[in-house]
Amino acid sequence: ELKVEQNPLFLSMQEGKNYTIYCNYSTTSDRLYWYRQDPGKSLESLFVLLSNGAVKQEGRLMASLDTKARLSTLHITAAVHDLSATYFCAAGQVGAQKLVFGQGTRLTINP
Amino acid sequence: EAQVTQNPRYLITVTGKKLTVTCSQNMNHEYMSWYRQDPGLGLRQIYYSMNVEVTDKGDVPEGYKVSRKEKRNFPLILESPSPNQTSLYFCASSLLAGTDTQYFGPGTRLTVL
Repeated sequence: ELKVEQNPLFLSMQEGKNYTIYCNYSTTSDRLYWYRQDPGKSLESLFVLLSNGAVKQEGRLMASLDTKARLSTLHITAAVHDLSATYFCAAGQVGAQKLVFGQGTRLTINP
Repeated sequence: EAQVTQNPRYLITVTGKKLTVTCSQNMNHEYMSWYRQDPGLGLRQIYYSMNVEVTDKGDVPEGYKVSRKEKRNFPLILESPSPNQTSLYFCASSLLAGTDTQYFGPGTRLTVL
């Protein structure tokens, strides 16, 4: 059974700093998603990573995938307050028609 | 505008009183799914549907029912709600498969007293 774990679960950082959120998954998956959720809002798709070594970037966020290590990372560069949100990773479970979500990482960026 | 809609957005009810949360998508998606979100547990899938009249259990189906009579609609039914079903519920849809990008509705916050 596919399990997805994120760490850290809570992250408080200062503007201008860099940090990384980690997403580990337990069995083979053919795709990895990152979603963003603002407080009281729905989930918004940020990235989908489909192959080993895939890297996607948008603004100050960069996501990567290492399928051999079963690890995806979401790197935040020079954080700004607007990036405060909860970030979820989700792995596609092959043959099961579902996404399995991590617990989420609540990111707070302080001025 | 392409979207997934849910109603109601907020609901407070009492134990045992049947309720339905509606979900509708206008993107002609084949796949639809219901999740519940609880603190520290992420999103857990309740039920999903691959197409009209095809539904299947997710990870936490107990106490819930669904139906898919039309492609665009996928209501979630709680026939006898209990306090442990107090949660934030999301409906989602994707083009073909459950592993495609899923688009989420705005959420329904349910409180069962």
